[in-house]
Amino acid sequence: EPEVTQTPSHQVTQMGQEVILRCVPISNHLYFYWYRQILGQKVEFLVSFYNNEISEKSEIFDDQFSVERPDGSNFTLKIRSTKLEDSAMYFCASSPTTEKLFFGSGTQLSVL
Amino acid sequence: AQKITQTQPGMFVQEKEAVTLDCTYDTSDPSYGLFWYKQPSSGEMIFLIYQGSYDQQNATEGRYSLNFQKARKSANLVISASQLGDSAMYFCAMRELYNQGGKLIFGQGTELSVKP
Repeated sequence: EPEVTQTPSHQVTQMGQEVILRCVPISNHLYFYWYRQILGQKVEFLVSFYNNEISEKSEIFDDQFSVERPDGSNFTLKIRSTKLEDSAMYFCASSPTTEKLFFGSGTQLSVL
Repeated sequence: AQKITQTQPGMFVQEKEAVTLDCTYDTSDPSYGLFWYKQPSSGEMIFLIYQGSYDQQNATEGRYSLNFQKARKSANLVISASQLGDSAMYFCAMRELYNQGGKLIFGQGTELSVKP
């Protein structure tokens, strides 16, 4: 069964460094998302992406964040200058329709 | 603005018994979808079940069913014949459908523990 693939599964970085989280959505899906989950808290929406542009973003998704779909398969989330509070599990998700939204297994980001 | 509320931080159930996890929601959009996800300790988010606001029948997927009460704005998840592997965090989520591809908003989650 097709699945959303995220790499790496764990990322450790120093505060102030840039990180890129990578995702390969399911191939025939049109809508792509990034979510994050701080330990013990609920899952929070960051950004949605459709037709090669951002369709919606949350207040969390400030100028430090950016997303790209550089080719037909990858979907990346970049954090330019990481802060301690960016430590979280980051989930990529993709959706073919309104009825289903599939998540990757996540990247655990630790900012030291 | 849309909102999802799960009022049970934790639930216990005996193996082989049924359990209901509560979820209420609020939205001004007449067209919306309701989702349940399971998050085991390994961290991944597993899609369980979907209910559309215009669906006439309650959704079912194997041992999972969604008790959809539109007038009360509730979308409770019922797990029948609980198994030890059902122990996990469960999240209710909603998506307004005016915007194709709109975001999911999640509740706070309910941690389910299944006792042998």
